[in-house]
Amino acid sequence: ILNVEQSPQSLHVQEGDSTNFTCSFPSSNFYALHWYRWETAKSPEALFVMTLNGDEKKKGRISATLNTKEGYSYLYIKGSQPEDSATYLCAFENPQFYFGTGTSLTVIP
Amino acid sequence: DGGITQSPKYLFRKEGQNVTLSCEQNLNHDAMYWYRQDPGQGLRLIYYSQIVNDFQKGDIAEGYSVSREKKESFPLTVTSAQKNPTAFYLCASTAQRGVRNTEAFFGQGTRLTVV
Repeated sequence: ILNVEQSPQSLHVQEGDSTNFTCSFPSSNFYALHWYRWETAKSPEALFVMTLNGDEKKKGRISATLNTKEGYSYLYIKGSQPEDSATYLCAFENPQFYFGTGTSLTVIP
Repeated sequence: DGGITQSPKYLFRKEGQNVTLSCEQNLNHDAMYWYRQDPGQGLRLIYYSQIVNDFQKGDIAEGYSVSREKKESFPLTVTSAQKNPTAFYLCASTAQRGVRNTEAFFGQGTRLTVV
């Protein structure tokens, strides 16, 4: 079983703050790196699927970067809003999915 | 709307009983997966299926069984041989397993409690 680590485990920020999380994964046998957003009592939803070293993807205020050579990805949220409160999961695909434990974000109004 | 439906949302089982969790998708996806989540751990793969009538063990298959008789359905049976079945179970699908740049779609999960 491969090790995928996410940090921090949880985060509380004020509305309007920007924040970022880290996902670390093995740097070999890389297919793709996935980010999912998981709100309480809902299904995880895909944010990004990244496949190329140096990839940067953006969706609204959320963006992600990928470094496959050193085995990490960053997720950034600019100007956090209360509706951003969720658990953010990353998954390393090779081709099986290996999930991190997630970063729980709480945005305080 | 296309998606994955898991039922029931909550399930209670007596020790020694088998129980089946339902997972149905209408996304026309070939690959389906079952994951288990325990507190403080990431999702762990129980079984997956790439095509009808075919399925493979994941990392923690002991005490579980699956079937894939129809493309849209991938039920998971938690047998009495599973030593610690109390957990949250999540079903997922992808268009095809191993094809890069393809996102997974998830159900809302079933929380199983053994009483």
